[in-house]
Amino acid sequence: DAGVIQSPRHEVTEMGQEVTLRCKPISGHDYLFWYRQTMMRGLELLIYFNNNVPIDDSGMPEDRFSAKMPNASFSTLKIQPSEPRDSAVYFCASSLTGLAYEQYFGPGTRLTVT
Amino acid sequence: AQKITQTQPGMFVQEKEAVTLDCTYDTSDPSYGLFWYKQPSSGEMIFLIYQGSYDQQNATEGRYSLNFQKARKSANLVISASQLGDSAMYFCAMRESPYRGSTLGRLYFGRGTQLTVWP
Repeated sequence: DAGVIQSPRHEVTEMGQEVTLRCKPISGHDYLFWYRQTMMRGLELLIYFNNNVPIDDSGMPEDRFSAKMPNASFSTLKIQPSEPRDSAVYFCASSLTGLAYEQYFGPGTRLTVT
Repeated sequence: AQKITQTQPGMFVQEKEAVTLDCTYDTSDPSYGLFWYKQPSSGEMIFLIYQGSYDQQNATEGRYSLNFQKARKSANLVISASQLGDSAMYFCAMRESPYRGSTLGRLYFGRGTQLTVWP
């Protein structure tokens, strides 16, 4: 099993540009999570999906952020327009339904907005 | 209120010694799960150990054990015989009952404890 796949691994962009982060969850997992990690805020849950349906997006910082999951094997997190304060590591994770199932994290995308 | 509290921003331990990383949690659910993750400097999040609220025994995985004290709502991670490679950030997390509304499925993470193992 390839694990959770994220692309790109690194992204450097200028303020105002659109950024799209991609995630492929582990096959068969019905939950998908997007996190953001910074030194200041730690690990924050942005949004999560169950069976491709967004369950809770209360962690999305503002309207500049949007996430989609068009099918069970693909999700995107888009930032438009990007700002320097969006610089962070963005993780995607997936899991099965159930109390005991751990979340499997992708390697993360390190985003730098200049 | 914080769901997960990790009060130790940093901990230091000498190689081969044991170390305990503290975690307290807050929930009114009788059914919940507790997790520990490790994040080395390379950045990946690695699952270490799981404890269910109804588990009678403390969970163990190799050198990792979870000191689960339900009445005190604590789930401390014990690492025995520390190794240099254990130097990392450690996160405690909790999942509440899968039958509770919109929180279904999510993990609540603490702020983490940075462990440094020195020779």
